[in-house]
Amino acid sequence: DIQMTQSPSSLSASVGDRVTITCRASRTISNYLNWYQRKPGKAPKLLIYGTSNLQSGVPSRFSGSGSGTDFTLTISSLQPEDFATYYCQQSYYTPLTFGGGTKVEIK
Amino acid sequence: QVQLVESGGGVVQPGKSLRLSCAASGFTFSNYGMHWVRQAPGKGLEWVAIISYDGTNKYYVDSVKGRFTISRDNSKNTLYLQMNSLRAEDTAVYYCAKAGQWLGSEYFFDYWGQGTLVTVSS
Repeated sequence: DIQMTQSPSSLSASVGDRVTITCRASRTISNYLNWYQRKPGKAPKLLIYGTSNLQSGVPSRFSGSGSGTDFTLTISSLQPEDFATYYCQQSYYTPLTFGGGTKVEIK
Repeated sequence: QVQLVESGGGVVQPGKSLRLSCAASGFTFSNYGMHWVRQAPGKGLEWVAIISYDGTNKYYVDSVKGRFTISRDNSKNTLYLQMNSLRAEDTAVYYCAKAGQWLGSEYFFDYWGQGTLVTVSS
């Protein structure tokens, strides 16, 4: 199985900060990497698919990059509604696997 | 808008069975693959299974192979997960999710339901 390792597991940031979350795959997954946002009590929400494609309706302050084994999610200017947990997921091989999550908290 | 509503969760004894349902609306259900994903208490997300748009292809995570069966009824816009021989480690919130489509891959999730809790305990 492909292991997905996210870092950091949590971070504290202020509104307006630039935030970067990284995700590393244990084997190359080309650009089959997706990012989700999860808020307490709500269903996960797709943010980015295929490494850098913004899902419809997602604000442009979210962006993704990378290829092979190393990927990043960047929030260019953190907004109050962005405090949540973020997960990466590889869609190259079954079983599909997720990173452990990064909790973004208010500083 | 896309809506996915899970039902059928509850408390069940180890070794018993449970069937989850997911009612879909807001899109042409019969055109898309569908997934089940779960999250155990205090743990991360775990993909469980996928079924193709017409039900002919199904894949599972190893931990549920032979015990769980994913199926769908396109005439009812409903996805199912039949769970047999349940174990304590199957305790989780179970989400159904619509498969996204990109470069021929349906191995990601563009819409999720709110989830239904399954607790396996004696």
